[in-house]
Amino acid sequence: SQQGEEDPQALSIQEGENATMNCSYKTSINNLQWYRQNSGRGLVHLILIRSNEREKHSGRLRVTLDTSKKSSSLLITASRAADTASYFCATQNSGGSNYKLTFGKGTLLTVNP
Amino acid sequence: DAGVIQSPRHEVTEMGQEVTLRCKPISGHNSLFWYRQTMMRGLELLIYFNNNVPIDDSGMPEDRFSAKMPNASFSTLKIQPSEPRDSAVYFCASSLLDSGEQFFGPGTRLTVL
Repeated sequence: SQQGEEDPQALSIQEGENATMNCSYKTSINNLQWYRQNSGRGLVHLILIRSNEREKHSGRLRVTLDTSKKSSSLLITASRAADTASYFCATQNSGGSNYKLTFGKGTLLTVNP
Repeated sequence: DAGVIQSPRHEVTEMGQEVTLRCKPISGHNSLFWYRQTMMRGLELLIYFNNNVPIDDSGMPEDRFSAKMPNASFSTLKIQPSEPRDSAVYFCASSLLDSGEQFFGPGTRLTVL
C-alpha cells in the first residue's frame, strides 16, 4: 500500500517561479525523504528529514515536516527548466522494518523556459 | 565511484522466456534493494538484502521471481517464466546503512511480449 501520497499529481510553472509539492503519510515514521526522477532515469536522493526535525534546507530546496499532521512539503525556489522531473516522497518507518522505503506516486513538475 | 550499475538497460523478450537482471552495488554498501516501477502501482520493493542475506522478500510477486546475492558486489533478479504483466522498469538500489539514503541504478526496462 502507498504510504506517501503526493499532491498535486502534476504541476506546471514558469522558470523562475517557486514550486511546492506536498506529501501526506499514514503511520509513524523514522524519516521522510524526497527523490527526483528524470524521464527514463533512476531516482536521485534530494534530502532526508528526520522525525524530530521540522525544516531542512539544501541549496534551492526547502523541506518541512509536520508529524502531527503527517505531512511534508518540498519547496523548490527560483525553478529552472532542468528541474523538470518527477518528485517522490518516501517514508521509512520506525521499528523492525526501518529499511523499507515506501514511495508515493509522485508529482510531475514541468518548468517552462 | 561509478554508482550502482545495472545491466542490461533494456530487455525485450517473449512470454515464457527466462530473464536475468544484474546489479552491482556501490562498493562498501551493505544493503541492496530491488524495486519494480509501473504506472499503475508506482515503485514497489521486491526484495531487500543485508550483508548478502535476503532479509525481506515479501514483495516478490510470485515464485516465478527469484533473487540472489552471491557476494557483496553482485546481485541478480531472475524471472522464469516471464509474462507480459512483468513488463516494468526494475531498479536496484544500495545504501550504506539499512535506513537512510538509497542510491539507485539507472534501471532495466523490461518488455515481455
